[in-house]
Amino acid sequence: DTGVSQDPRHKITKRGQNVTFRCDPISEHNRLYWYRQTLGQGPEFLTYFQNEAQLEKSRLLSDRFSAERPKGSFSTLEIQRTEQGDSAMYLCASSLAMLATSDRRVYNEQFFGPGTRLTVL
Amino acid sequence: DAKTTQPPSMDCAEGRAANLPCNHSTISGNEYVYWYRQIHSQGPQYIIHGLKNNETNEMASLIITEDRKSSTLILPHATLRDTAVYYCIVRVAKNTNAGKSTFGDGTTLTVKP
Repeated sequence: DTGVSQDPRHKITKRGQNVTFRCDPISEHNRLYWYRQTLGQGPEFLTYFQNEAQLEKSRLLSDRFSAERPKGSFSTLEIQRTEQGDSAMYLCASSLAMLATSDRRVYNEQFFGPGTRLTVL
Repeated sequence: DAKTTQPPSMDCAEGRAANLPCNHSTISGNEYVYWYRQIHSQGPQYIIHGLKNNETNEMASLIITEDRKSSTLILPHATLRDTAVYYCIVRVAKNTNAGKSTFGDGTTLTVKP
């Protein structure tokens, strides 16, 4: 399977504990995104990377959240001192950003992983 | 990114065409219309996108009005496996932009036998 993978698929933790999620994007993709989705809502953007550089962070990403992509390949999302409000599905997506030429459109389809469902007790 | 408006839910009979509307009246000239769907407990799946011309692929067709203020996703022969939440989003597609997607609440399509 050459799609986006996420690990773990499910995580149950107690309030106050730290958790870390991993995302492995499609191998040639240089962009990687993190989203959060709560029940009945659409995914909300958290942050994204171009290669190893974290270029944008949503205001939803509090100080307790940190994301890294150290070698421009896989990424980790860590939540410190988890709260019950952090319970959600955390989705990772990747895409390939290509150089645009004058006669070539640039597509930016995002391919999503299966998500990590976090439950904070 | 421009905001989109979709009906919260729709039903469709199996084998019939499903037509899912989306309003994006504030779309700007360099924004594309993208459609994704999310089957229960899975990540969103890309379906199709377009700028101003109608588009078709193996999954669906996308009809964009001439003024680009609305679009319709067409699943020509809906099956039970097409039951999902369908998201319409608009965003620029140049690589200089983040390309992040702003999702609304989508349309829950239920295909009935």
